[in-house]
Amino acid sequence: QQQVKQSPQSLIVQKGGISIINCAYENTAFDYFPWYQQFPGKGPALLIAIRPDVSEKKEGRFTISFNKSAKQFSLHIMDSQPGDSATYFCAASKSLSGTALIFGKGTTLSVSS
Amino acid sequence: DAEITQSPRHKITETGRQVTLACHQTWNHNNMFWYRQDLGHGLRLIHYSYGVQDTNKGEVSDGYSVSRSNTEDLPLTLESAASSQTSVYFCASSEHGYEQYFGPGTRLTVT
Repeated sequence: QQQVKQSPQSLIVQKGGISIINCAYENTAFDYFPWYQQFPGKGPALLIAIRPDVSEKKEGRFTISFNKSAKQFSLHIMDSQPGDSATYFCAASKSLSGTALIFGKGTTLSVSS
Repeated sequence: DAEITQSPRHKITETGRQVTLACHQTWNHNNMFWYRQDLGHGLRLIHYSYGVQDTNKGEVSDGYSVSRSNTEDLPLTLESAASSQTSVYFCASSEHGYEQYFGPGTRLTVT
């Protein structure tokens, strides 16, 4: 049973456009929701993360929107740039107990110039 | 600078052989994790450890083992390599379940 479902699998966006990636989770015990960015040949790196006590978190062009009642969260990339082309993973964990991250299957983003 | 390293970066082995992938971190993190990454499956947890002598099974632990004899290292052993274990393997470490820092990965091919 997949605990974190991510969509779409791939996404093509024009330079300057908005990229939106969605994730849904099932376990209400999750309390930490990070997004990781991975470039080809590299390990994933933390991009931005949110806890369920806030509905939105913004860092530069990257924003997480969180809907606790719907058990959904999404990543918005504003003014998408070719350098944003990468694979993005959402994840969830029960951070206070130190458990490992459960990842979505990933979204490959291509930003065309 | 503190870092996390994996070795080897690339490995080709034959079916049935035992293989060990190394992971070393210099942050002194208690938590360490092994994931495998396959197209269409994302990152799946193999084993994890919350400290010395502690090991736990993840989602896809069959055919893999780990041991934690010190804080810095968590080697991953494939007892008898199978073609289904051809994958890219990532090690990660963290403190208190927060940000995980990933290594550069090991690409393993089992022929």
